[in-house]
Amino acid sequence: SAVISQKPSRDICQRGTSLTIQCQVDSQVTMMFWYRQQPGQSLTLIATANQGSEATYESGFVIDKFPISRPNLTFSTLTVSNLSPEDSSIYLCSVGDTSSTEAFFGQGTRLTVV
Amino acid sequence: GENVEQHPSTLSVQEGDSAVIKCTYSDSASNYFPWYKQELGKGPQLIIDIRSNVGEKKDQRIAVTLNKTAKHFSLHITETQPEDSAVYFCAALDNTNAGKSTFGDGTTLTVKP
Repeated sequence: SAVISQKPSRDICQRGTSLTIQCQVDSQVTMMFWYRQQPGQSLTLIATANQGSEATYESGFVIDKFPISRPNLTFSTLTVSNLSPEDSSIYLCSVGDTSSTEAFFGQGTRLTVV
Repeated sequence: GENVEQHPSTLSVQEGDSAVIKCTYSDSASNYFPWYKQELGKGPQLIIDIRSNVGEKKDQRIAVTLNKTAKHFSLHITETQPEDSAVYFCAALDNTNAGKSTFGDGTTLTVKP
């Protein structure tokens, strides 16, 4: 299994600002994903972070709001831009490998926008 | 795309009893079905999974069954303990999208001592 380090674990941000979340994996992985979990809800996929190219976004999520970087096979960042209270959620990094299909999650970043 | 439905949304059992959580999925291409346990303030942790070529899998007190014809799978926890209390999520994916999972809405399990 992969060990995933996600930072920060939590943050409180002002409206209109941005927060960048980092995801570091202890081994090279093929697939990296970013999920959002709104309070009391299930996990919703935001985008697939592609190494060396633009992320692939799911319906309802756009690059201007959720820019993603993936400079190598062990690291990715998700930025949540122009924050509003509706962005208050847990954001989760997930990794997977095409050989196993198993997916592993970081501990999540709890974002509160005030 | 895939759609996963999970029931019940909440489940309360007495310590020592069994708990069963059921999920259905829509995409017949899905062939991997993990279950996650999420404790308060933590990310989801994989607890058991099953692949489409298997009908049942067991790991100590936890078991998962899969009926591909009916497109449903279930989590069974026997001899429940208070530390089993958490939110449980089922998911479905196919191996052309490794790691890209579609999740159920979750079941909040409470085990009363």
